[in-house]
Amino acid sequence: RKEVEQDPGPFNVPEGATVAFNCTYSNSASQSFFWYRQDCRKEPKLLMSVYSSGNEDGRFTAQLNRASQYISLLIRDSKLSDSATYLCVVTMNSGNTPLVFGKGTRLSVIA
Amino acid sequence: DTGVSQNPRHKITKRGQNVTFRCDPISEHNRLYWYRQTLGQGPEFLTYFQNEAQLEKSRLLSDRFSAERPKGSFSTLEIQRTEQGDSAMYLCASSPRQAFEQYFGPGTRLTVT
Repeated sequence: RKEVEQDPGPFNVPEGATVAFNCTYSNSASQSFFWYRQDCRKEPKLLMSVYSSGNEDGRFTAQLNRASQYISLLIRDSKLSDSATYLCVVTMNSGNTPLVFGKGTRLSVIA
Repeated sequence: DTGVSQNPRHKITKRGQNVTFRCDPISEHNRLYWYRQTLGQGPEFLTYFQNEAQLEKSRLLSDRFSAERPKGSFSTLEIQRTEQGDSAMYLCASSPRQAFEQYFGPGTRLTVT
């Protein structure tokens, strides 16, 4: 079983739509959680950290369910510029260990 | 630009040749990571430095791979006797003390022919 699993998509949505991505992780010792965004042939860029209480950054909302080992990302009012691959990321310890990436979920926002 | 930089950005080499990549982290970031990414996959961890000490190596890092960070600043990743399976994007990331987030460089795309 992969450590971090995501639906690869692609998700093709019209502009203005709301889209949600889910991710599960296998190691219950995981402590830090992130969503990274990766544009085609570019490096991953941190989109947002994910906290147990849930957190929101503009149109983006991230949620963490430790009991179910499940992370989600919600994008509201999708823009064309949101088209990218979204990578679910976990780390096992606090800041001293490598990131473990899912394969990513590809999003295409269509005009 | 004060982000992570990597050189070269692209490298085409013939099978069996040695290649070396360089990463310059964000200044004062004491942690530096190397990852490899192939098409359709997320980045996979290769190795990690805290200052000049190499603290962890993935089982993906075969004997043909070696990494250094001699002065705790820039790092190099060398691949000896390259194989076609080494073709990938090699990403470097750095992280400051006491922080969880990692910041990635633009990567070096290696093609082994």
